[in-house]
Amino acid sequence: ETGVTQSPTHLIKTRGQQVTLRCSSQSGHNTVSWYQQALGQGPQFIFQYYREEENGRGNFPPRFSGLQFPNYSSELNVNALELDDSALYLCASSLDGLAVTTQYFGPGTRLLVL
Amino acid sequence: DAKTTQPTSMDCAEGRAANLPCNHSTISGNEYVYWYRQIHSQGPQYIIHGLKNNETNEMASLIITEDRKSSTLILPHATLRDTAVYYCIVRVKGAQKLVFGQGTRLTINP
Repeated sequence: ETGVTQSPTHLIKTRGQQVTLRCSSQSGHNTVSWYQQALGQGPQFIFQYYREEENGRGNFPPRFSGLQFPNYSSELNVNALELDDSALYLCASSLDGLAVTTQYFGPGTRLLVL
Repeated sequence: DAKTTQPTSMDCAEGRAANLPCNHSTISGNEYVYWYRQIHSQGPQYIIHGLKNNETNEMASLIITEDRKSSTLILPHATLRDTAVYYCIVRVKGAQKLVFGQGTRLTINP
């Protein structure tokens, strides 16, 4: 069974640029959730994708957007990068549709905005 | 989702049981207690979850009080690799998101 993978592992961008982060869900999982973790803080929920549709969103501006593909992998796009977007970006996959769903996290992508 | 309260930090000697408390006094009947841990700069790792019965798996045991207002995560024989931030999360069935607090920074000492 393959776990959750994310790419790239590290990324450096400058303010105003755009970035795309990628996530491959665990085998058999149909749902991907994205989280942002600033230094010293717990992860914060950005949004979730279920069967290629956004299925819930946290308190993040529209410049944070996402996609889910038919194979359930996902992308997180951030436009007009700001310095405060520097963080660890985590994706988590789960198999939704069951009574209780557990989210399994990938290793994260560390983004630095200069 | 109900709010959780955890100690900011704890220490435990290697080989001893580590008992991590969590208070969730406003938990409702359809909310589960989840535990995750995060080793420095890695993604959170799922440990265990439960509703009202005590649960055990290969990593840990989860003890939930009868009134469900608090719980304890037990690592039976802590090793240095168990040093991490441990998050207690209360999550309603079917909720999309996990709401992370500050967690407990557990340090296992040799």
